[in-house]
Amino acid sequence: GAVVSQHPSWVICKSGTSVKIECRSLDFQATTMFWYRQFPKQSLMLMATSNEGSKATYEQGVEKDKFLINHASLTLSTLTVTSAHPEDSSFYICSATGGGANVLTFGAGSRLTVL
Amino acid sequence: GDSVTQMEGPVTLSEEAFLTINCTYTATGYPSLFWYVQYPGEGLQLLLKATKADDKGSNKGFEATYRKETTSFHLEKGSVQVSDSAVYFCAFSIIQGAQKLVFGQGTRLTINP
Repeated sequence: GAVVSQHPSWVICKSGTSVKIECRSLDFQATTMFWYRQFPKQSLMLMATSNEGSKATYEQGVEKDKFLINHASLTLSTLTVTSAHPEDSSFYICSATGGGANVLTFGAGSRLTVL
Repeated sequence: GDSVTQMEGPVTLSEEAFLTINCTYTATGYPSLFWYVQYPGEGLQLLLKATKADDKGSNKGFEATYRKETTSFHLEKGSVQVSDSAVYFCAFSIIQGAQKLVFGQGTRLTINP
């Protein structure tokens, strides 16, 4: 079946640095990828929708300059948290769909801790 | 606004017990309803879904019925197994076929042998 891989699965960084999280579709072409954020004991919140080759569409309240999303190929989308602060510490999850199948496949998530 | 409210976890049961995880939603329009499951170290997987009122989704012994009158989609299983231990997420999408989902906060389920 369809597989989506996220990397890294966890990362710790210092405040003020930038962190990049990758989301790859391993066996299908992902025309659309979604990025979510999850705080402890809370819902997954959709941050943005990215379509291959075009700019991401951000949800209301999500800073596009803070959370840079690039979907340059049909198998890779990246989320870069710029100038990270402790309040950016969270669990980030991507999902992908494509290949003509109306199936949404999730990555296992990436836990970011900003010190 | 649109939202999903799930039973707050964690939920701990013994093997072969009956399971119910409550889920209610607030949405405009006529949403499609989903239950996703996340096993340790893995991504969310679609467990079951229902696209219109009174539909029953079922998979792996789990069932949920789309109740429009009570805006609910409670997850049930008659006899749980240790392998059912996971986090369960209720979700909906407004646009048919769209993948833009609104999720509940998840309910962690632990089944003891």
